[in-house]
Amino acid sequence: QVQLQESGPGLVEPSQTLSLTCTVSGGSVSSRGNYWNWIRQYPGKGLEWIGYIYYTGGTYYNPSLKSRPTILLDTSKNQFLLKLTSVTAADTAVYYCAKDLDGANNYFAQWGQGTLVTVSS
Amino acid sequence: IVLTQSPATLSLSPGERATLSCRASQSIGSYLAWYQQKPGQAPRLLIYDASNRATGVPARFSGTGSGTDFTLTISSLEPEDFAVYYCQQRTNLFTFGPGTKVDIK
Repeated sequence: QVQLQESGPGLVEPSQTLSLTCTVSGGSVSSRGNYWNWIRQYPGKGLEWIGYIYYTGGTYYNPSLKSRPTILLDTSKNQFLLKLTSVTAADTAVYYCAKDLDGANNYFAQWGQGTLVTVSS
Repeated sequence: IVLTQSPATLSLSPGERATLSCRASQSIGSYLAWYQQKPGQAPRLLIYDASNRATGVPARFSGTGSGTDFTLTISSLEPEDFAVYYCQQRTNLFTFGPGTKVDIK
């Protein structure tokens, strides 16, 4: 069973770049056919999909985030990364990394435990 | 695509049947999933493609629907089923509903 674990700073200053890492165990980020996702959950509990990276390195982002996110693969460390530029208080949320369901892409079958990121000076 | 869930809160007793609704703003075929979230935990995939149970999900959970109207049914509530339930579509981007909280009456 694939397991995912988020890591990164819990506090980011406004206008800075949020950087998070998802470390994958029990599987490989290079495994054929897999999508690796970032999803966030606001304090009011709403969930928002941020984007994914395919095992080939191809990416797709939520257009509502207007070119702010970048997702990268680091196959040497079996990780994928999220960078979100120009953050504001509205980006305060719990950030989850998630893997899609094998054979039924773009449903989220495995999730990390989540990491709270607060944007504040 | 906007997903609307009803009711916002469902107050039931253990052993009762729970019926949760998710409605899409336009047709999404059968491309809908249901997730369960407990406090302090990540969401857990229960149902995908409207009616397929994910691995390890008990048979008391069932999903039906297609097009714009979907239902998650819990046939007989167990104590561990009291949680928040979200629907999610994958037809046009990937969006979630606002959730239905199932709490103990």
